[in-house]
Amino acid sequence: EIVMTQSPAILSVSPGDRATLSCRATQSISSRLAWYQQKPGQAPRLLIYGASKRATGVPARFSGSGSGTEFTLSISLLQSEDFAVYFCQQYNDWPRTFGQGTKVE
Amino acid sequence: EVQLVQSGAEVKKPGESVKISCRASGYTFTTHYIAWVRQVPGEGLEWMGIIFPPDYDIKYSPSFHGQVTISADESTTYLQLNTLKASDTAMYFCARSMVSTGAYDLWGQGTMVTVSS
Repeated sequence: EIVMTQSPAILSVSPGDRATLSCRATQSISSRLAWYQQKPGQAPRLLIYGASKRATGVPARFSGSGSGTEFTLSISLLQSEDFAVYFCQQYNDWPRTFGQGTKVE
Repeated sequence: EVQLVQSGAEVKKPGESVKISCRASGYTFTTHYIAWVRQVPGEGLEWMGIIFPPDYDIKYSPSFHGQVTISADESTTYLQLNTLKASDTAMYFCARSMVSTGAYDLWGQGTMVTVSS
């Protein structure tokens, strides 16, 4: 099973800052990585797939990069609505697996 | 409207089973995989398994294999949880896989299952 490790667990930032979240896989997953945003009481929302492709309706301030085992989600000019928990997920192999999440506060 | 609508919250006793549903609408049901994801309160997301409706191809996570059963009919996917334990108390989400990737672009609202004696 591919283990996904996210860092940091908590990221303390201010509105207008740039946030950089990391996700590492225990083996290569090519670019088969997605990022999700989850707010309290809500279902996750897809932000990024294919490591760098923004999902429909996702603002351009969200960007993803990386391939192989190292991936990054960047949020430029943080808005108040961006404070949430972010999860990465690999879909290169079965079972699909998620990282443990990074809380942006 | 394209959506996944899940059944309502459940309260069960240890040892019981429960079957929750996820009804798809607004798109062609047979062209997308549907996955089930567990989230214990305050914790992360756990991938449980997935079904491809046209041929009922099902894959389970080893962590859940034997403890859950995934099925589907015309436009609804089901997750049955067997021999419930208190540790099964969680929110359960269904999610639609994109046609060309394994990312989940559409999620149900979640079904809370509480297991308590």
